[in-house]
Amino acid sequence: NAGVMQNPRHLVRRRGQEARLRCSPMKGHSHVYWYRQLPEEGLKFMVYLQKENIIDESGMPKERFSAEFPKEGPSILRIQQVVRGDSAAYFCASSPGLTMNTEAFFGQGTRLTVV
Amino acid sequence: DAKTTQPTSMDCAEGRAANLPCNHSTISGNEYVYWYRQIHSQGPQYIIHGLKNNETNEMASLIITEDRKSSTLILPHATLRDTAVYYCIVRDPTTDSWGKLQFGAGTQVVVTP
Repeated sequence: NAGVMQNPRHLVRRRGQEARLRCSPMKGHSHVYWYRQLPEEGLKFMVYLQKENIIDESGMPKERFSAEFPKEGPSILRIQQVVRGDSAAYFCASSPGLTMNTEAFFGQGTRLTVV
Repeated sequence: DAKTTQPTSMDCAEGRAANLPCNHSTISGNEYVYWYRQIHSQGPQYIIHGLKNNETNEMASLIITEDRKSSTLILPHATLRDTAVYYCIVRDPTTDSWGKLQFGAGTQVVVTP
């Protein structure tokens, strides 16, 4: 049973380019969460999605960032026109459902470096 | 406001038990206590969770006080690979999505030879 898969593990982008981060949840999980971790800082929630729906995007920057979780395929976190301040580790987590007493499982993250 | 408070850091000798405290004095009846850890540069790893009874698994034991206002994570025989930041989180699974959680600063545990 594969865990949460994120790719790429490392991504380098020049300022102004677009970054696309992918997350495949664990099998049977329909809830996906994206977190960002800036260097030397804690995990900060960004967005919570279910299939084809954004449930909570209160942690997403208002501009340049978007997320989706289509009916088929992985969840995508998209950052347009990246700036150096976007350099961070981006983690995805998945869980089977909101009202279940279960843990969320995290992927190994994508480390974005903007040069 | 953080729902939990943890010491900033602690050291532990290899082979000894590591006891990590967590205060959650405002915990409500439906909230569980979860522990995760993050080894440097890796994704957070689930350790254990519980409601009011003590819990044990292959990784650790969780001791929750009778009033549920605090808990202790016990790593029975710490190894160098247990060096990580440990996060104590409270969550009501009926109302709180994982997105509403505050991971806080956690406890930096350093296991020394």
